[in-house]
Amino acid sequence: GQNIDQPTEMTATEGAIVQINCTYQTSGFNGLFWYQQHAGEAPTFLSYNVLDGLEEKGRFSSFLSRSKGYSYLLLKELQMKDSASYLCAVRDQFTNAGKSTFGDGTTLTVKP
Amino acid sequence: DVKVTQSSRYLVKRTGEKVFLECVQDMDHENMFWYRQDPGLGLRLIYFSYDVKMKEKGDIPEGYSVSREKKERFSLILESASTNQTSMYLCASSRTNRGDQPQHFGDGTRLSIL
Repeated sequence: GQNIDQPTEMTATEGAIVQINCTYQTSGFNGLFWYQQHAGEAPTFLSYNVLDGLEEKGRFSSFLSRSKGYSYLLLKELQMKDSASYLCAVRDQFTNAGKSTFGDGTTLTVKP
Repeated sequence: DVKVTQSSRYLVKRTGEKVFLECVQDMDHENMFWYRQDPGLGLRLIYFSYDVKMKEKGDIPEGYSVSREKKERFSLILESASTNQTSMYLCASSRTNRGDQPQHFGDGTRLSIL
């Protein structure tokens, strides 16, 4: 099985940098996803890591350490529209269908 | 762009009714999923399917069933709705079990059972 932990809430200031952490304990591992979900909307894909290291995509970066069971999502130059919930999801190694287990999400509030 | 369409945004039903939630995707994805999302509990997997007529239980299948007669359509059925099934229901789809394929979500159905 999978156990995924994320902070429940975070607050940051417009223009700043924020790091959202995710730790996981799994019986198998085949990749970690980050999704963004605005209130009342569907989650949308942000990033994927399967190897250790940093993946950068514009203002967003995601880091993975498989030996530590740890990932973070880094958001730079925060904008008000970045206020959303951020979901960490771990894909099970031994699954059909790309089944993933989701964390409870971190609600980020960006203040002016 | 992948489009996952759920038949209703809001639905109100009564206790004991049989409820059908429909989901259609237009990208020929093999895999489809049904989740419910509740405050403080995150996304919980109810059922998923990796092929037509194939289904597997997720973490919370009790009180639910599913149907996948066609590749593009995945239906969630509440056999006899109860108030504790009031929730936001999200459908998702993805390509084959290549690791880097994310799930694509529909806009959700907010279901209230009275």
